[in-house]
Amino acid sequence: QKEVEQDPGPLSVPEGAIVSLNCTYSNSAFQYFMWYRQYSRKGPELLMYTYSSGNKEDGRFTAQVDKSSKYISLFIRDSQPSDSATYLCAMKASGNQFYFGTGTSLTVIP
Amino acid sequence: KAGVTQTPRYLIKTRGQQVTLSCSPISGHRSVSWYQQTPGQGLQFLFEYFSETQRNKGNFPGRFSGRQFSNSRSEMNVSTLELGDSALYLCASSLGADQETQYFGPGTRLLVL
Repeated sequence: QKEVEQDPGPLSVPEGAIVSLNCTYSNSAFQYFMWYRQYSRKGPELLMYTYSSGNKEDGRFTAQVDKSSKYISLFIRDSQPSDSATYLCAMKASGNQFYFGTGTSLTVIP
Repeated sequence: KAGVTQTPRYLIKTRGQQVTLSCSPISGHRSVSWYQQTPGQGLQFLFEYFSETQRNKGNFPGRFSGRQFSNSRSEMNVSTLELGDSALYLCASSLGADQETQYFGPGTRLLVL
């Protein structure tokens, strides 16, 4: 079983839709949770990070962590064509080894 | 503050050759991690360095090696290249020993023919 599971999609939504991206994990020691956005042929760009369960909001983006279910989500409100990218979840326990999902490809259609 | 930089950005090599990739972390960051990214496997962890010491290593053969210098800059080397080594190689830096996140460079795209 992989440490982090992420549905690869692809996901295609109309502009303005609410997007929900999800990851599950198996290691209960994970404490820090991140979402990265990666445009084609670029390096991943940090979008959000959270520590512990709960919600964190930043503009149109909301990150949600449910440690009891080992499940994290990223919600994008009012999605824009510029949000079209691959979204990677990542997480870590103590120490500096990060574990990544395989990424979900998102296309927002104008 | 400048971000993570990686050189070269693109490389074409042939099987059996070796290659060295370079990474300069964000100023003040002391931890550098390397990843291999391919369409089929996603991001796979290669190794992580902190203060010139390798702290973690992923499940890659010994042909993949790295080092970190006293100024935190890092290099990775792949010897005896194989076709399957074609990938985007990403470097990421973190501030210290146990930071909650890391920042990626643009990557080096390696094509092995």
